[in-house]
This record gives sequence, structure tokens and C-alpha cells, in this order.
Amino acid sequence: GAGVSQSPRYKVAKRGQDVALRCDPISGHVSLFWYQQALGQGPEFLTYFQNEAQLDKSGLPSDRFFAERPEGSVSTLKIQRTQQEDSAVYLCASSPVGAGVRDTQYFGPGTRLTVL
Amino acid sequence: SQKIEQNSEALNIQEGKTATLTCNYTNYSPAYLQWYRQDPGRGPVFLLLIRENEKEKRKERLKVTFDTTLKQSLFHITASQPADSATYLCALDHDYKLSFGAGTTVTVRA
Repeated sequence: GAGVSQSPRYKVAKRGQDVALRCDPISGHVSLFWYQQALGQGPEFLTYFQNEAQLDKSGLPSDRFFAERPEGSVSTLKIQRTQQEDSAVYLCASSPVGAGVRDTQYFGPGTRLTVL
Repeated sequence: SQKIEQNSEALNIQEGKTATLTCNYTNYSPAYLQWYRQDPGRGPVFLLLIRENEKEKRKERLKVTFDTTLKQSLFHITASQPADSATYLCALDHDYKLSFGAGTTVTVRA
């Protein structure tokens, strides 16, 4: 079956532009996570959805970052007025279970965002 | 805040040898610890999960230990192969979130 897919795979934006990154989780997966990975670092948690509900957005670096999952499947991470420090790989992961039940997370290939 | 430290340097080993990776953490007592593999340009791939009441877990040529007193996990790749070359990430599980270390890059020479 298909894994987690993300698009675009690469995005170059000029400073100040808005960008939208898409995540298609594995069908039927309840949980969806967004992570940010800087070069040479591990992924850092941004936000978590259980179905369509955003239960945790504590990792979003600023109010320029916004995520949604309106129908409980596809999710979009939007970054407004991009800054150079936003340059990173943005990873999406999904899990078949909800919060409180441990399971592995299945990651997509990521979107590499470069802000010039 | 919690801190997760993995081997600070890359690991270069000869094919057939055992690679041992270290993950140390502070300021937290996770119920679970996970190890992931990440290849360049790809997302992390789950390898093993170990619970706080488990001392050791094995999967094929992989072995993980978890010492909650030392706040340390060791990850072993036995009979290493060039195909094992990748970055390995440890992740602490708290509630639904994962906190990752920076990873250790392993290169296996043929």
C-alpha cells in the first residue's frame, strides 16, 4: 500500500512569500504529525492532529505557521511571510492510533524548503 | 528542558563488525524509546521500540538496550553490511510526541 506522501518535494521561496506544504497520510491513520528538521539535526515536533482536531500546536515556532486537517485526512502546513530561518525539511508522519496508545510513526519523504 | 545526546561523531566501521550507538537523555523518564533509520533525502523509518520495563529487544541483526537508571539506550548492529550505512536516530516517547536526538551517521566499509 502507499505510504505517506508529501508535496512538493522541494520548494524555493523568496523571503516574505507564503508557502503551503501538503501531506497525504496513510489511509485510515488517525494521528498526523508535522516535524521540522534542520540540517544535521533530528526532527523537531511542530504540531499534532487526531483526525481533524489539532490537539497540540506547541511546537509551531511563530504565528506565521499554521496547520490544518479539515476532513481528517490530508493536511496542509502553511508558512506566511517566510524568513530565512524557516529553511529546513518539513516532515509529516502518521500513525494508525490516537493519542494515549503507543505505536510507531510512519514518515513521509519530507519537503525541503529553501528561503532566499 | 529535556536533552537527548547521541554519539557526537560519525561511526566508520569495517563490514562484519558490530556498530554500537549511544543515546543518553536527561530531565525526563520516558516510558518508551524508539530507534529510527534515516537515509539521505528520505524520512525516518521505524526500527525498534523498547519499553521502560524491557532491558533488551532484538530484531534480526539489531539489538537495543534500555537502562532507565543510567538514562541510556544502546543500539547495536551486528555483522554490519554496507547497506546499513545511514543515520540512526533515537527518539523519546512522551504522550504522543517524539523527541529526537541529532542522530549518528554510520558508514560501513566493504
